[in-house]
Amino acid sequence: DIQMTQSPASLSASLGETISIECRASEDIYSNLAWYQQKSGKSPQLLIYAANRLQDGVPSRFSGSGSGTQYSLKISGMQPEDEGDYFCLQGSKFPFTFGSGTKLEIK
Amino acid sequence: EVQLQQSGPEVGRPGSSVKISCKASGYTFTDYVMNWVKQSPGQGLEWIGWIDPEYGSTDYAEKFKKKATLTADTSSSTAYIQLSSLTSEDTATYFCAKGLGGSRRYFDYWGQGVMVTVSS
Repeated sequence: DIQMTQSPASLSASLGETISIECRASEDIYSNLAWYQQKSGKSPQLLIYAANRLQDGVPSRFSGSGSGTQYSLKISGMQPEDEGDYFCLQGSKFPFTFGSGTKLEIK
Repeated sequence: EVQLQQSGPEVGRPGSSVKISCKASGYTFTDYVMNWVKQSPGQGLEWIGWIDPEYGSTDYAEKFKKKATLTADTSSSTAYIQLSSLTSEDTATYFCAKGLGGSRRYFDYWGQGVMVTVSS
C-alpha cells in the first residue's frame, strides 16, 4: 500500500497568516491527490483534487501544489472558519490511502 | 442538492453483523461510484472500498475483503455496507462518500457518518 506521511501533526496560526501542510507519498502518485477539511463532529469536505484543482465553492485562499511524491496545501490568510482537521488522500493506486491528518488551530 | 443520508448509530455484539445504509438524493445514483470510509481514533481514515451502483461491481481494500460487503439498491438509490464478525477493532465511524464526477478516485460528498460500537 502507498503510505502517506503528513506533516505537521498540529499547527497553530494567527488570523491572516499563510500556512502550509505537506504530504509525502511512499511512491510516485502522479498528482492523484486530494485535500480535505474536517470540522469537529462533521464529515470531510473536499478542498482540492488532482493536486491543484480547487473544488467548486471552496475559497480561493486554499491552493494545492506538488508532483511526484511531494504535495502541499496552502492557506493564504488564515480565517476563523479554517480551524479544523486537514488530511490528504491518494487516489493513484488501490487501496486509496489517507494521510494521518493535521489539526489546525487559531493562535 | 446532493445529499447522502446515512442510517443511525449501531451497537453490535462481538461476532455479530451490522448493516448501514446510505440514501442518495440530488443526483443520478447510477452515474457515480459510492465509496465507504472508516474513521477511528487509532487508525485514522481508511478506505474500505467502492461500489459502482450501475453494475454492482465492487473493489475492496485487502484488509476489508472478509469484513465488509458492499451492495446497492438502484430502485431506492441506497448503498449499503454490511460488517460481519464484529470485534472491538470495528468500533468506528463509517462514512459513505460519492465519487467525484469525471474522476472516481476522489470523493466530493460525504454522508454524516454512522458510529458503530461493538460491545457485549
